[in-house]
Amino acid sequence: NAGVTQTPKFQVLKTGQSMTLQCAQDMNHEYMSWYRQDPGMGLRLIHYSVGAGITDQGEVPNGYNVSRSTTEDFPLRLLSAAPSQTSVYFCASSGGGLADTQYFGPGTRLTVL
Amino acid sequence: RKEVEQDPGPFNVPEGATVAFNCTYSNSASQSFFWYRQDCRKEPKLLMSVYSSGNEDGRFTAQLNRASQYISLLIRDSKLSDSATYLCVEGQLTFGSGTQLTVLP
Repeated sequence: NAGVTQTPKFQVLKTGQSMTLQCAQDMNHEYMSWYRQDPGMGLRLIHYSVGAGITDQGEVPNGYNVSRSTTEDFPLRLLSAAPSQTSVYFCASSGGGLADTQYFGPGTRLTVL
Repeated sequence: RKEVEQDPGPFNVPEGATVAFNCTYSNSASQSFFWYRQDCRKEPKLLMSVYSSGNEDGRFTAQLNRASQYISLLIRDSKLSDSATYLCVEGQLTFGSGTQLTVLP
C-alpha cells in the first residue's frame, strides 16, 4: 500500500492563480481531511470528509474548496491564491472514524508570491 | 482562545533525561486524545493514544486528567532520536501548536 499520497510536493503560484492539490489514499478509509501548517500555529483543519459525497468545513475554510467524488480521492482547490495561503498542506485519512489514527501524506509546500 | 494549548518549548534535555509535556484542552466533552510526533519538514505520525486509564509504550507514558482537562506525555531515558516536535490532539481534528524537543548528546 502507498498509504496517503499528495501531489505536487512543492508549488509556487502567483497571486490570483488557481490550482488543485491532489490527495489519494489506497486504504479504503472513509474519513479524509486537509490541514495547513504555519510556523507556530500547529495544524489547522481546512475541510474534512466523512465519506464519498460528504464534506464539511473546518477551522479555516475560506479560499478553499473540496469535493469527494470517490473514497480514494480528496482534492483541495485554491480558487484565487493569496500570499496568506503560503503554507504546508497536509492531507490525512482515517479508517475508524474521527477518533481513530490519522495517516498523513508527505505534504505540499506552497508559496504564493 | 485556542482549544488545545501546549508549551512550545523548546525543551533541550541531555540524553538519558526524563522529560514531560503537558497539553490543556477546553472541550470537557472530548473523549479521544492523541500524541503525534513530527520530525522536521515531515508529516505527523501517531505516537500514542491517550486512554482514561493512562497508556504506556516502552519509554513513553501518556496520562489524561479529566478534572483539570489536560493530557501529559512522559519520555524516560531520552534518546537523540526522540528529538522532534510533539503534537497534542483532541478529538483527532484539533491540534495543539506542538512542543519542540531536542535531546543533546
